[in-house]
Parts: sequence; structure tokens; C-alpha cells
Amino acid sequence: AQKITQTQPGMFVQEKEAVTLDCTYDTSDQSYGLFWYKQPSSGEMIFLIYQGSYDEQNATEGRYSLNFQKARKSANLVISASQLGDSAMYFCAMREVPGRRALTFGSGTRLQVQP
Amino acid sequence: GAGVSQSPRYKVAKRGQDVALRCDPISGHVSLFWYQQALGQGPEFLTYFQNEAQLDKSGLPSDRFFAERPEGSVSTLKIQRTQQEDSAVYLCASSSKTTGGGRDEQFFGPGTRLTVL
Repeated sequence: AQKITQTQPGMFVQEKEAVTLDCTYDTSDQSYGLFWYKQPSSGEMIFLIYQGSYDEQNATEGRYSLNFQKARKSANLVISASQLGDSAMYFCAMREVPGRRALTFGSGTRLQVQP
Repeated sequence: GAGVSQSPRYKVAKRGQDVALRCDPISGHVSLFWYQQALGQGPEFLTYFQNEAQLDKSGLPSDRFFAERPEGSVSTLKIQRTQQEDSAVYLCASSSKTTGGGRDEQFFGPGTRLTVL
């Protein structure tokens, strides 16, 4: 079964508008971490935001915020005021067991910001 | 300071050849990870080192894949007798943390794109 599901292969957004990228996850652990990474065409994965399963508040990092709904097992990324440089692949990832360092990634969403 | 670097950036191998991919982590980072990213997919975990110790190799797909980090800094991922299904981008990441839990951020390199003909 998929651990991380990203149902939007591609998304378009107008410059300066907000966009939400969906992510649902599957785990039976109580303690886990959720990450979003950006991968531009250069290939490097860039960390954007982190949400711990016990964090009571939704994480925010500048223009990025995470809409964390634990009961629904969703961790959607919200990008506000989109910029042309936001065009990239976006990956949601989960680390399930604190002692295990491996990240499990979804299949990604390609975001294209239009002028 | 410099980020994670990987070399070569591109590698073309004939089926059956051995290849070696190098990763230079961020200076001082004790944890190092290798991931494999097939075309159009998200990265998949291969293996993890803490200093020179390989603590998790559960993601290595076969015994043709071997990774080492003998001095706890530079790491090499070796693939023996390459096959077409090994074609992918191999990403290396490093972390300053020694344990998981919390914001265990991994910093990624640009990857090595391996094409097996």
C-alpha cells in the first residue's frame, strides 16, 4: 500500500495566487514526521517545511504553510503569493519511526506558475 | 559553506559494467543517506550511515549494490554488473543529527544521473 499519496500529478497557478498541494499518508505509528521538499529542474531536493505528529499548531515557513489534519491523515502544502520561481516538482515525505531515519516519498506534484 | 556535492553528475554505462558514485556531504554532518529516484517517481531510500557505520541498508535492491563510508565523510555507492533497471538518479543527503525524531532535516545533493545502455 502507498505510504504517501499525492493525487495531483500537475497543477497550474497564476502568479501571486495561493495554491494547495495535496498529500495523504498512511501509518499506524503515533510518532512520525512529515516533510515537504521542492525539486527544481536542477535536481536538488530543497527542504521546505516540517510537521511533527504531536505538533499542535500547523507549521509555517515564510510563504509555505502546512495544513495538517491528523484525523484525516493529510498534510497539504499551501504556497501563498506564488512566484515564477516556485515552478518545480514538490514531494511530500514521511519518517515513521524516530529511530529509523529513512524518508518515504510520494510520487510528487509538478507545479507550474503562470505569469 | 558548500552543500552536498556528488560526482559524476552524469554517468553512462554499458550493461554489465561496474560503476562508482561519489558523495561529499556537508562538512561535519555525521549522517549520510543514499536514495534512488526513477524517472517520474519520488526518491526511494537505499541506505544510511552514521559516521562510518552503515546502520540501515534495508533499501538496497540487490547484492549488486554496495555502499561505503570508510572515514566517516565521503561515501561511495557502487553498483556491480549494472542492468537497465538501475537507470535512475542517485541522490545523496546528509544531516547534522545523529538520531531521528523531530525536524531531522536532510540536505540533498544534485544527484548523479545513471543511464545503463
